Amino acid sequence: AQKITQTQPGMFVQEKEAVTLDCTYDTSDQSYGLFWYKQPSSGEMIFLIYQGSYDEQNATEGRYSLNFQKARKSANLVISASQLGDSAMYFCAVYGGATNKLIFGTGTLLAVQP
Amino acid sequence: DGGITQSPKYLFRKEGQNVTLSCEQNLNHDAMYWYRQDPGQGLRLIYYSQIVNDFQKGDIAEGYSVSREKKESFPLTVTSAQKNPTAFYLCASSLLGGNQPQHFGDGTRLSIL
Repeated sequence: AQKITQTQPGMFVQEKEAVTLDCTYDTSDQSYGLFWYKQPSSGEMIFLIYQGSYDEQNATEGRYSLNFQKARKSANLVISASQLGDSAMYFCAVYGGATNKLIFGTGTLLAVQP
Repeated sequence: DGGITQSPKYLFRKEGQNVTLSCEQNLNHDAMYWYRQDPGQGLRLIYYSQIVNDFQKGDIAEGYSVSREKKESFPLTVTSAQKNPTAFYLCASSLLGGNQPQHFGDGTRLSIL
C-alpha cells in the first residue's frame, strides 16, 4: 500500500521569502512518481512539479523545486520568492506502477503574508 | 482552449435520488479519473478509466457508477446507495504512464437537500 504524509496542516511565510513544504511517502514499488499540486480557494487542482524515483537530479519548475531524498522517502516542495498568489492548499501525491493510482496526502495550507 | 469541463458547478440532491456529474475533456487523453474531496482532506479515487468501454474501481467506489462510451466523456452517477454524498468532486485526465501529470477540471460541489 502507498501512503503520503504531510505533517504541516498550515504554514505562514512572508512575501519574497522561501518556504519548504514537507512530504514523506511510503511505497513498496521500485518505480514510482511524486507529484505536487496547488489548490487555490476556487477549488481547481493545478499541477506544479514531478519527480521520478529514478531521476538523479532534483526537479525544478520556475520558482518550484523538489528536494528529493530517496533514502529518507522524502519529497519536499521548495517555493522560492513567495508571492501573495501562492496562498493555497498544497498536496503531495505518489503514483506507483503496481497500483496504477495516484495517492494524495492531506495537504498543507500556505498563507503568504505581505 | 484545451481542457477539462465539469458541470454543473453546484448540484443539489434529494434523498433517494440519483444525480449525474458531467466531465468532458478535449486534451485527447486516454485516461480519466473521478475523485472525491471532503473538507480538510486530500483526494480519494472513486473510479478511473484508461480506455473507452473499460473502467476500474478506485478506493471508494461504493454508491457510485461511471461509463466511458466516448474517449472525451466520463460521467459519474452518484446513486441513492451513497449515503453521504455531500462533497467536492473532481474529474481529471492524463496521458497513459505513471510519469504523466493529471489535469483537473474545476470541480462540482454536491450537497444534500
